[in-house]
Amino acid sequence: QKEVEQNSGPLSVPEGAIASLNCTYSDRGSQSFFWYRQYSGKSPELIMSIYSNGDKEDGRFTAQLNKASQYVSLLIRDSQPSDSATYLCAVNIYERRGSYIPTFGRGTSLIVHP
Amino acid sequence: ETGVTQSPTHLIKTRGQQVTLRCSSQSGHNTVSWYQQALGQGPQFIFQYYREEENGRGNFPPRFSGLQFPNYSSELNVNALELDDSALYLCASSLRGREVIDGYTFGSGTRLTVV
Repeated sequence: QKEVEQNSGPLSVPEGAIASLNCTYSDRGSQSFFWYRQYSGKSPELIMSIYSNGDKEDGRFTAQLNKASQYVSLLIRDSQPSDSATYLCAVNIYERRGSYIPTFGRGTSLIVHP
Repeated sequence: ETGVTQSPTHLIKTRGQQVTLRCSSQSGHNTVSWYQQALGQGPQFIFQYYREEENGRGNFPPRFSGLQFPNYSSELNVNALELDDSALYLCASSLRGREVIDGYTFGSGTRLTVV
């Protein structure tokens, strides 16, 4: 079983709609969760981090965390064509040497069409 | 404040050769990690250094090795290159120690092609 799972997509939404991206993880001990955006040919950039159950809002982005169900999601409101990118979920997973290492899913491709 | 800088940006090597990739962390960051990202995949963890010591390693063979220097810059070395090593290699730095609590700042990556 993969440690961090995402649907690879593509997820296609019209401009102005809400895009919903989901991620599940296997390590119940994980405490830190991140969403990164990666444009084609570029490196990932951090959008949001979340550590507690519930919602965290930052502008048009809302991260949601449910540790009991082991999922984290990202909502993008009023989606714009410039939001078209791959969204990577990362979860700090326990590594055998005692560190928690950010482990990435394969990413979900989002396409926002005008 | 400077970001994370990687060099070179692109590299073509022949199978069996050795390669060294370099990374300068963001100012003040004491943790550096290396990831390999194949086309269409998420970044795969190679290893992490905190204050010059390796404190985590992913499922990569020993021919992948690294160093972190006192100024927190880092190198990734790959020996006996294989065709499957062709990928984008990402260096990422973070501020707060052994656990990456605040997330990473990534460099722009090195695109390695092995022929």
